[in-house]
Amino acid sequence: DSGVTQTPKHLITATGQRVTLRCSPRSGDLSVYWYQQSLDQGLQFLIQYYNGEERAKGNILERFSAQQFPDLHSELNLSSLELGDSALYFCASSVDGSGYNEQFFGPGTRLTVL
Amino acid sequence: AQKVTQAQTEISVVEKEDVTLDCVYETRDTTYYLFWYKQPPSGELVFLIRRNSFDEQNEISGRYSWNFQKSTSSFNFTITASQVVDSAVYFCALSEARTTDSWGKLQFGAGTQVVVTP
Repeated sequence: DSGVTQTPKHLITATGQRVTLRCSPRSGDLSVYWYQQSLDQGLQFLIQYYNGEERAKGNILERFSAQQFPDLHSELNLSSLELGDSALYFCASSVDGSGYNEQFFGPGTRLTVL
Repeated sequence: AQKVTQAQTEISVVEKEDVTLDCVYETRDTTYYLFWYKQPPSGELVFLIRRNSFDEQNEISGRYSWNFQKSTSSFNFTITASQVVDSAVYFCALSEARTTDSWGKLQFGAGTQVVVTP
């Protein structure tokens, strides 16, 4: 158990819908990362937050947005969902958001868009 | 451009054999960090090891060892005396320090599926 929690574990929805994925980092970790894992794209970095502020952005679609709240939990919002958004979404956390420290990953949320 | 290349798609071994996973990376940074993660069939990503660009000393941790060579931009990982529980996908990842935008994000290779049979 990495100490990072993600809810829900599975999500099935229809095209055009909007969903919210939730992540709680390990106790003491200030930085949260979101990654998408799909068969065709592999593991891709989406976005990073550090202590409530956006720190880095990857190939995140405009239909996707995220935030980190004062209690450090984070939410990833996916809207106008398309079939291609079906993937495993991971949240990870690290102590200080630097590239030095390892990131600990949550169990992931498997999103299926029908 | 792919920054981390894992050329081996799948490796199959019999229990107790050694397994070496290849990883080649590309970066212009002088400061960077390399990682190996494991993804068992249950799906979670498990951190295994970390190495920084200033430390080429190779190490052994239990049945895991790694060989970091800056001259060839390679960071290979070996599992000694493999066990069935080692069956998983193994990912090599790079973290660069060039800019604030790069710092912290992990760039993963495509992964190598390791299958260990009894």
